[in-house]
Amino acid sequence: DTAVSQTPKYLVTQMGNDKSIKCEQNLGHDTMYWYKQDSKKFLKIMFSYNNKELIINETVPNRFSPKSPDKAHLNLHINSLELGDSAVYFCASSRRTIGGVGNTIYFGEGSWLTVV
Amino acid sequence: EDQVTQSPEALRLQEGESSSLNCSYTVSGLRGLFWYRQDPGKGPEFLFTLYSAGEEKEKERLKATLTKKESFLHITAPKPEDSATYLCARGSQGNLIFGKGTKLSVKP
Repeated sequence: DTAVSQTPKYLVTQMGNDKSIKCEQNLGHDTMYWYKQDSKKFLKIMFSYNNKELIINETVPNRFSPKSPDKAHLNLHINSLELGDSAVYFCASSRRTIGGVGNTIYFGEGSWLTVV
Repeated sequence: EDQVTQSPEALRLQEGESSSLNCSYTVSGLRGLFWYRQDPGKGPEFLFTLYSAGEEKEKERLKATLTKKESFLHITAPKPEDSATYLCARGSQGNLIFGKGTKLSVKP
């Protein structure tokens, strides 16, 4: 069973469209994240949620909105897509927020978003 | 400012040729030093976490070590299947801050 699963894996869409990426984890973790990996392969956090509560919101355009219906799901909605949004988006989860010994972030397989 | 620097950016080895990857990090507020492996088209796969200077962890041909300012990922007698990008990250408050990775290629 996949621990952190996200869909779709590939998404090609036109500028101006609105799209969503869904994420689910079956690890029983309390904290979930969205990371973005750009064309230079640099991985950077966008958001994190702990028990459905937003705890990290990095400098991300407000066209990006995370939604956590329950602690096992964290979806990413993107409005008015721009060319620069093309990247790989990774969902991840951890038992608790990073800071305690033994806490590790586990990543999904990624969603490749291409805006044309 | 939180920062993680990895070197080299790319490393080519012959099968069996041991080497080390370096990760230097800013020290303040460190909440663990993490190593991940990332294969093309895949998400990062967790390898190790180190928390205190002098700590070492091993897994097959990989050994991670930690000093006060650096971590090393030692690869002993690598095989072609060890080819991947290796990412280092420092734990910060509620987050992982990643370096840009070292792309390792092991030729048979």
